[in-house]
Amino acid sequence: AQSVTQLDSHVSVSEGTPVLLRCNYSSSYSPSLFWYVQHPNKGLQLLLKYTSAATLVKGINGFEAEFKKSETSFHLTKPSAHMSDAAEYFCVVRLSGDTGRRALTFGSGTRLQVQP
Amino acid sequence: GAGVSQSPSNKVTEKGKDVELRCDPISGHTALYWYRQSLGQGLEFLIYFQGNSAPDKSGLPSDRFSAERTGGSVSTLTIQRTQQEDSAVYLCASSPSPNSNQPQHFGDGTRLSIL
Repeated sequence: AQSVTQLDSHVSVSEGTPVLLRCNYSSSYSPSLFWYVQHPNKGLQLLLKYTSAATLVKGINGFEAEFKKSETSFHLTKPSAHMSDAAEYFCVVRLSGDTGRRALTFGSGTRLQVQP
Repeated sequence: GAGVSQSPSNKVTEKGKDVELRCDPISGHTALYWYRQSLGQGLEFLIYFQGNSAPDKSGLPSDRFSAERTGGSVSTLTIQRTQQEDSAVYLCASSPSPNSNQPQHFGDGTRLSIL
C-alpha cells in the first residue's frame, strides 16, 4: 500500500525567507512523485514531478524538491518566498505502471501563508 | 482552450434536485479523472475513465453518483437527489495517458452548494 504524509498542515513564513514544505511517502515500488499548488477557487497546478531521473527536481516559480529514497521524503523548497506563493500545496505519489484509484494518493495538503 | 474546462464554475441548488457537472479535457488526453474536495480536506477520488475501457467507479460514494464520457472526450458527472453533504468542489483532471510519470492537468472545478 502507498501513502503520503504532509507533516505540516499550516506553514507561515515572512516574504523573502526560505520555504520548506515537508512530505514523506510510503510505497513498496518505485513511485512517481508530484507537488501541486492550489490557489483559492482554482484547480490544482503542477509545480514539479519526480520520475526516477535526477533526484533534485526543479519546478516552476523557483520551487524545487529533492527525492531522498533513504528517508522516503520529497520535501518542497524555495529560497525566497513571495506573497504570490500563498496557497495550498499537495504532495502526490503514484505507483509505477498502475492506473485508476490505487495509482494516485494525495497528501492532506499544507497551507502556506506568507507574511509581508 | 489549452486547459481542462469545467462548467458551471458555481452551482447552487436545493436539496433533492439533480445536478450535472461537465468536464472538457485537454484534446488528445485519454485518461480522465473526477475528484471531490470538501472544505479543508484533500482530494477524494471518484471515478476514472481511460479510452474506451470500462471506467473505474470504485470511488463513487453512493448510487446517486454516476458519470459518463461520450466519444472519449467530454465527461458529465451526475448527482441525483442531492444532499447537503454533497456540497464540495468537484475537480476534473486529464492526462495524456495513464502512465505513472504523466501528471494530471486539473480544471478549476465546480463549486457545488446544496441548500
